[in-house]
Amino acid sequence: NAGVTQTPKFQVLKTGQSMTLQCAQDMNHEYMSWYRQDPGMGLRLIHYSVGAGITDQGEVPNGYNVSRSTTEDFPLRLLSAAPSQTSVYFCASSRDPYTGELFFGEGSRLTVL
Amino acid sequence: AQSVSQHNHHVILSEAASLELGCNYSYGGTVNLFWYVQYPGQHLQLLLKYFSGDPLVKGIKGFEAEFIKSKFSFNLRKPSVQWSDTAEYFCAVSRYNFNKFYFGSGTKLNVKP
Repeated sequence: NAGVTQTPKFQVLKTGQSMTLQCAQDMNHEYMSWYRQDPGMGLRLIHYSVGAGITDQGEVPNGYNVSRSTTEDFPLRLLSAAPSQTSVYFCASSRDPYTGELFFGEGSRLTVL
Repeated sequence: AQSVSQHNHHVILSEAASLELGCNYSYGGTVNLFWYVQYPGQHLQLLLKYFSGDPLVKGIKGFEAEFIKSKFSFNLRKPSVQWSDTAEYFCAVSRYNFNKFYFGSGTKLNVKP
């Protein structure tokens, strides 16, 4: 049982480049979300989705896009990377965003030079 | 303003010492409460959760937490820590109908052998 799978685990970008962080889950969870983790700031919600075709913004959505074409996949796109987006990114899914626990991927460490 | 507050950013204890990590939240209404743990190099995983009922909840590895509604608090405790408890601990809150989990800034626990 793979759970939540994120790729890549590490990435270095130059300012202005674009990239997509992939997230896939095999638990048939409707709810998926992206967080960034920065020292001293905990986890901050970037975007989330309550089902295929439905996405919404979290606390820090600027500079990021998402889409949800299938239940399994929830990619996060950086259209023009900035040094402020250097962070560790976590994808998480849940059966229910209120009562269910969040299952996290292993994280993607992104450095923007 | 931080809506989930963890007052201790870094805690250092010797093995067998008792642990209490504070967590306060500022949301009204019905909430669910969680503690997650992130061991070095690993992804976040659920430690324990409170939905309703007995305000003293027990989780994995001997951890417990007490929900005090009047104080908007959900403090994590362990009577005797082990070196293997070295990790970062995050308090989280979910709110009915908000489809979001709100995380605190985390507390790094360092247990000296």
